[in-house]
Amino acid sequence: DAKTTQPNSMESNEEEPVHLPCNHSTISGTDYIHWYRQLPSQGPEYVIHGLTSNVNNRMASLAIAEDRKSSTLILHRATLRDAAVYYCILRPIIQGAQKLVFGQGTRLTINP
Amino acid sequence: NAGVTQTPKFRVLKTGQSMTLLCAQDMNHEYMYWYRQDPGMGLRLIHYSVGEGTTAKGEVPDGYNVSRLKKQNFLLGLESAAPSQTSVYFCASSTWRSGANVLTFGAGSRLTVL
Repeated sequence: DAKTTQPNSMESNEEEPVHLPCNHSTISGTDYIHWYRQLPSQGPEYVIHGLTSNVNNRMASLAIAEDRKSSTLILHRATLRDAAVYYCILRPIIQGAQKLVFGQGTRLTINP
Repeated sequence: NAGVTQTPKFRVLKTGQSMTLLCAQDMNHEYMYWYRQDPGMGLRLIHYSVGEGTTAKGEVPDGYNVSRLKKQNFLLGLESAAPSQTSVYFCASSTWRSGANVLTFGAGSRLTVL
């Protein structure tokens, strides 16, 4: 599995935008970029995924670099509820139940 | 829609005892997974299943067995529990969304082995 690199921790203020970076220099052309987050004492939850183009959904936006070697998860207006560990994961496009391998993730702290 | 349900939520075992964690999903997902999470660490895949009657090993399969006799259920068994298996266990199921395989996780089962 291609490796991702994320900062161990980040801090932001409530109601401000948050940009969470992820480097994946060894990404292959068939890898999707996935983001999950884990709120305290809960299971991980899916946030967003993308392949080449930027993606938006109700939770966040995903900005993918043109060479796909990095991506950024954007929370447009952080709330206290967004405090969580955010995981950036690569998964191949091919059909089947590919293993989802989690790294250490980025622990996001939101200040009131 | 319950999603992914894990039972029990908490359990304390003595070394050498056996137990089974049950995972049930009501979303008709083909794929199911068992992960463990230790303090301060990310999730590690134990076993997974691509369909009823099939299972496969993940990163850390030793000491665990699994079964997928019904599509909606995925059981994780510990035949002889060890303190090193003290952890929080998460079950997940997945389906395809916009060309990618997306996981839905349960709330977790906290296991302590004394």
